[in-house]
Amino acid sequence: QAVVTQEPSLTVSPGGTVTLTCGSSTGPVTSGHYPYWFQQKPGQAPRTLIYDTSNKHSWTPARFSGSLLGGKAALTLSGAQPDDEADYYCLLSYSGARVFGTGTKVTVL
Amino acid sequence: QVQLVQSGAEVKKPGASVKLSCKTSGYPFTTFYIHWVRQAPGQGLEWMGIFSPSVGTTSYAQNFQGRVTMTGDTSTSTVYMELSSLRSEDTAVYYCARRSPLVGDFDYWGQGTVVTVSS
Repeated sequence: QAVVTQEPSLTVSPGGTVTLTCGSSTGPVTSGHYPYWFQQKPGQAPRTLIYDTSNKHSWTPARFSGSLLGGKAALTLSGAQPDDEADYYCLLSYSGARVFGTGTKVTVL
Repeated sequence: QVQLVQSGAEVKKPGASVKLSCKTSGYPFTTFYIHWVRQAPGQGLEWMGIFSPSVGTTSYAQNFQGRVTMTGDTSTSTVYMELSSLRSEDTAVYYCARRSPLVGDFDYWGQGTVVTVSS
């Protein structure tokens, strides 16, 4: 099974910008992996922010954006808010099998 | 409105089985696949598999092959996930989540069910 790797933790200042990445042990991440990004706060179910690389749900704040960057999937948070402090997970699809990333804890400080 | 309501917490002994439910409402049951995802205490998310309520087909993650069974009941719009041969490492919160044909996977999530495996 593929291993999907994320930064363990990142810190961003209020109003600042941070980029989270999502890499695959099998090689470059492409749109064919249909990257997803999730936000999870303590004690809550995950919430999907981005699907299929860069598509946003109606509830996704405009400050979040998804892309492919240097062979990885990327989630960029521009204009961080204290409420964005959370764990973030990516997910990649491998011929139908889904694999979650290891997760990134984002601190807004 | 769309709702996925999961069954209550379970405590099981090692070697036993557990069957969790995910009751859906607010949309046509057979149109949307259902995923199951789990999260051990303090750990990340783990995909377990996906179930098609329309035809009853399944696709399970390699780690759970032979131990997991996903089924559905169209009369109650409920999806079930049974995990057998439980061990302490199966202690986790188990989530169901919907796959939309329009906006892809995981657009709506259940609230989660805590399963504790302990002797």
